[in-house]
Amino acid sequence: DVKVTQSSRYLVKRTGEKVFLECVQDMDHENMFWYRQDPGLGLRLIYFSYDVKMKEKGDIPEGYSVSREKKERFSLILESASTNQTSMYLCASSQLGNRGNQPQHFGDGTRLSIL
Amino acid sequence: AQKVTQAQTEISVVEKEDVTLDCVYETRDTTYYLFWYKQPPSGELVFLIRRNSFDEQNEISGRYSWNFQKSTSSFNFTITASQVVDSAVYFCALKGIIQGAQKLVFGQGTRLTINP
Repeated sequence: DVKVTQSSRYLVKRTGEKVFLECVQDMDHENMFWYRQDPGLGLRLIYFSYDVKMKEKGDIPEGYSVSREKKERFSLILESASTNQTSMYLCASSQLGNRGNQPQHFGDGTRLSIL
Repeated sequence: AQKVTQAQTEISVVEKEDVTLDCVYETRDTTYYLFWYKQPPSGELVFLIRRNSFDEQNEISGRYSWNFQKSTSSFNFTITASQVVDSAVYFCALKGIIQGAQKLVFGQGTRLTINP
């Protein structure tokens, strides 16, 4: 089974702090993704990566950056945390696949609170 | 633009009832993929099914069944004889292969509660 591991289930940080959310997958997947989930809005894509050192902006990249130095690890960085970034963050990975048909496999999520 | 609409925000039924979760999508792509995910209280999204746009056959897996109708751009999910363990948030998602080929667009989710 695919295993996507997020470093923290719950995290509390203060406004202005630099926050790192870590994600590791163990199935040698090429693609990795970061989403945030908010009530009534579903999941929204923040950033994704097709390969090491590659990154693409998703639908809501403002206030975030990412790092992919190794294939199995994809980090989400909040440069200066703000209260509107309080949310559930979900990491996912997938194989490169044929024409994008591969399902994404998700981690358990990190519930981040910014005070 | 691609869009997925799950009009039912919350559904509550009694155990053993059948329940259908609606999903309507919009896309200009001719080839695309549709997915359903389940998110139990633990938080992890669990992949349930994938359907490509060329395959309109309905699918049944145990108590779960999916009805894909291209003519109405719908991909509905039915749980037969529901159980308390089916309680979760269910997401429908769309992925096109021309625009944003590696991105999923999710619906808002439907919170399903099965009462004993």
